[in-house]
Amino acid sequence: AQSVAQPEDQVNVAEGNPLTVKCTYSVSGNPYLFWYVQYPNRGLQFLLKYITGDNLVKGSYGFEAEFNKSQTSFHLKKPSALVSDSALYFCAVRDRNQGGKLIFGQGTELSVKP
Amino acid sequence: EAGVAQSPRYKIIEKRQSVAFWCNPISGHATLYWYQQILGQGPKLLIQFQNNGVVDDSQLPKDRFSAERLKGVDSTLKIQPAKLEDSAVYLCASSPRGGDTDTQYFGPGTRLTVL
Repeated sequence: AQSVAQPEDQVNVAEGNPLTVKCTYSVSGNPYLFWYVQYPNRGLQFLLKYITGDNLVKGSYGFEAEFNKSQTSFHLKKPSALVSDSALYFCAVRDRNQGGKLIFGQGTELSVKP
Repeated sequence: EAGVAQSPRYKIIEKRQSVAFWCNPISGHATLYWYQQILGQGPKLLIQFQNNGVVDDSQLPKDRFSAERLKGVDSTLKIQPAKLEDSAVYLCASSPRGGDTDTQYFGPGTRLTVL
């Protein structure tokens, strides 16, 4: 079965420092991976996705993610965090065996302090 | 381009009452999804439509939940009767074709509180 794990419930970083939000996955076949961000009382906003090709994927708001097949990971990164990046981040994998639904991790709360 | 629209944004009901949520996807998107997001968890798919046909409703509690997508555009999700454990945010999403590489775009959600 397809699954996604986000091992950290919360990540705290200082503004200006690099940030990493971790994600590992378990899929059969080639993975299609996604990152979404959720601000309070808002829906999920798409950040980036990995389908194939370059292992480093660039997305919205300066975020990027590194696909590592050997470690089955897809960590979200940003070189310099902003206070406005504080939000809930979700990693997801496409379930290609069941109509293409997204399987989400439990989410990681990112807090960026000034 | 207008995003996915949902209404109402908030709803409070007593248990055993019924409730309905409405979703209007991005224009031209063939695939529509309803997800349930319980506090502290990631969203979980309830039902997926391709045009007006159901692709996946394996996790929809069919004894109390129903959904339809008439004419392949708008969709309505209904709960009857509601239980306390139905308290959650109900997210609607749409994608152009429903293919594996498609991006799903989410609406703002409806926060349901069942008392």
